[in-house]
Amino acid sequence: SYELTQPLSVSVDLGQTATITCGGNNIGSRNVHWYQQKPGQAPVLVIYRDSNRPSGIPERFSGSNSGNTATLTVSRAQAGDEGDYYCQVWDSSAVVFGGGTKLTVL
Amino acid sequence: EVQLVESGGGLVQPGGSLRLSCAASGLSFSSNEMYWVRQAPGKGLEYVSGINSNGHSTYYANSVKGRFIISRDNSKNTLYLQMGSLRTEDMAVYYCARYSSSWYAFDIWGQGTMVAVSS
Repeated sequence: SYELTQPLSVSVDLGQTATITCGGNNIGSRNVHWYQQKPGQAPVLVIYRDSNRPSGIPERFSGSNSGNTATLTVSRAQAGDEGDYYCQVWDSSAVVFGGGTKLTVL
Repeated sequence: EVQLVESGGGLVQPGGSLRLSCAASGLSFSSNEMYWVRQAPGKGLEYVSGINSNGHSTYYANSVKGRFIISRDNSKNTLYLQMGSLRTEDMAVYYCARYSSSWYAFDIWGQGTMVAVSS
């Protein structure tokens, strides 16, 4: 089965840029989606199909995908960006989530 | 307002059964594939099950296959998850989510309902 690998945690200084990676075998050939989850809340889609933002998601959130790594970038990080971030792809008819990355804004 | 509202969670003994519901409003429920995703305490997101728009095709994670049944009633705008032979490892918050066929992602999520499995 297909596996996605994310770092357990990423820290970023307030106002700086955070990068969260999602590794998978030839993941660049798949559509990657990213979800943000704050404590006690449901996940929220922040990036779909590698690099697209749903309405209401700040432009500070961007995504890319190539080779064996997909990346979520949070520019000018704010305290409100703290939370867990999950990447997700499809493997046949099954949903695959990465293990999640906890983003801390210092 | 577009909304998914789960219900039916609670405490059940190992080996027991429970039925979850997800009521949809503000969206064209009968046109969308729907999914269940769960999250064990302190853990990540885990796919559970999915169903196509007319209910004729269903999908399951290996961990729940043969024990859980997903269904839907489009006349009631409601998604269901019948859970049987529950195990302690099934304890989690269960979310329903809408699959966007344009985005290939889950664009709308419910607030979740907690299922506790304990004797």
